[in-house]
Amino acid sequence: GQQVMQIPQYQHVQEGEDFTTYCNSSTTLSNIQWYKQRPGGHPVFLIQLVKSGEVKKQKRLTFQFGEAKKNSSLHITATQTTDVGTYFCAGPLEKGGSEKLVFGKGTKLTVNP
Amino acid sequence: DTEVTQTPKHLVMGMTNKKSLKCEQHMGHRAMYWYKQKAKKPPELMFVYSYEKLSINESVPSRFSPECPNSSLLNLHLHALQPEDSALYLCASKLTGLSYEQYFGPGTRLTVT
Repeated sequence: GQQVMQIPQYQHVQEGEDFTTYCNSSTTLSNIQWYKQRPGGHPVFLIQLVKSGEVKKQKRLTFQFGEAKKNSSLHITATQTTDVGTYFCAGPLEKGGSEKLVFGKGTKLTVNP
Repeated sequence: DTEVTQTPKHLVMGMTNKKSLKCEQHMGHRAMYWYKQKAKKPPELMFVYSYEKLSINESVPSRFSPECPNSSLLNLHLHALQPEDSALYLCASKLTGLSYEQYFGPGTRLTVT
């Protein structure tokens, strides 16, 4: 079945260092979504990418969608302690009429102040 | 109003109890979800309702029984649970269609003793 793989599983950085998480789908996606879950919290939507090769920025966060629409990345420049959490990518199940999102396993980011 | 609410926040129940989890949203979303999330894992889809009809059941044991009384409410009825069912139960909603993000509620932390 359709799978979304995400690496790395864990990443520990010093505050001020950069961070990147990568997402790969086994199938072409119509869009890819990114969510952040703070410790003890719930997933919160960050962004959606739709177009091939799309790049979107939110302050220090840069999101990319691959040309083949099968991979994506999230890059954080100069991490801060507020960036701590688990970042999930997710793509819609590409089966007619399905409302299902397929989540990657997530990358847990810890930041040493 | 861009909020999904869930009650209760915490629930401790014995294996012979019957309890219900409740979820509410007033964003006009016609797709609603129940997820189960264990520690250090991504949300695991349980059920999807689309236009108040059950559209996806991910082979969830019958001790979990979902209900969608109207377009704003979603319930999860629990009966004869096992200790391994202890987890964070998340409700989410979205507009129907592939291109829309999910809004998650804060979750119910369930402990089965």
